[in-house]
Amino acid sequence: AQTVTQSQPEMSVQEAETVTLSCTYDTSENNYYLFWYKQPPSRQMILVIRQEAYKQQNATENRFSVNFQKAAKSFSLKISDSQLGDTAMYFCAFMNPNSGNTPLVFGKGTRLSVIA
Amino acid sequence: GAVVSQHPSRVICKSGTSVKIECRSLDFQATTMFWYRQFPKQSLMLMATSNEGSKATYEQGVEKDKFLINHASLTLSTLTVTSAHPEDSSFYICSATRNSNQPQHFGDGTRLSIL
Repeated sequence: AQTVTQSQPEMSVQEAETVTLSCTYDTSENNYYLFWYKQPPSRQMILVIRQEAYKQQNATENRFSVNFQKAAKSFSLKISDSQLGDTAMYFCAFMNPNSGNTPLVFGKGTRLSVIA
Repeated sequence: GAVVSQHPSRVICKSGTSVKIECRSLDFQATTMFWYRQFPKQSLMLMATSNEGSKATYEQGVEKDKFLINHASLTLSTLTVTSAHPEDSSFYICSATRNSNQPQHFGDGTRLSIL
């Protein structure tokens, strides 16, 4: 079974600074997807970024980028130029597409506070 | 982009009431929908996987007679919390996907409060 570990329950960052959220996972699969979701106080689940395991290039979406280290099974999220609106819970998630439509496996989350 | 609509967003009702929550994919056919439960300050916990036209697959520890799931069409899945009690109070959220190579899209969730 796959597991996802987020070792930082809470983090804070000054506005305009850069912060990195860590995530590690465990799987025996070679092909899979990794995601970062943002959950603001409204509790909507917002997809931030997605990475396919077969792609070596790290995914980037504007101020959000990942450092995907497949051999180390590490998938960290870097938020550059942090904004107050980035304050939220961030969940790392894993999905195995090899067995049909399978659910996401979530980490426990990291609560990020952006401070003015 | 793909949109998933979940209703109602908030329910407050008396103990013993049954509550139905709907999850609709508005612009795509969702072969699979997932139902999650989230306690305050915790992660999402998978309750069940719902495939169109077949019985839902429940996770260990989730009572299928308590949480009835129906996925009668490619755009609608429902979760009914039967004879709800205060311990069923929680945030319930659904997600839908076309296929295993597409990301899951989440509804906005339902906050259920049983008095």
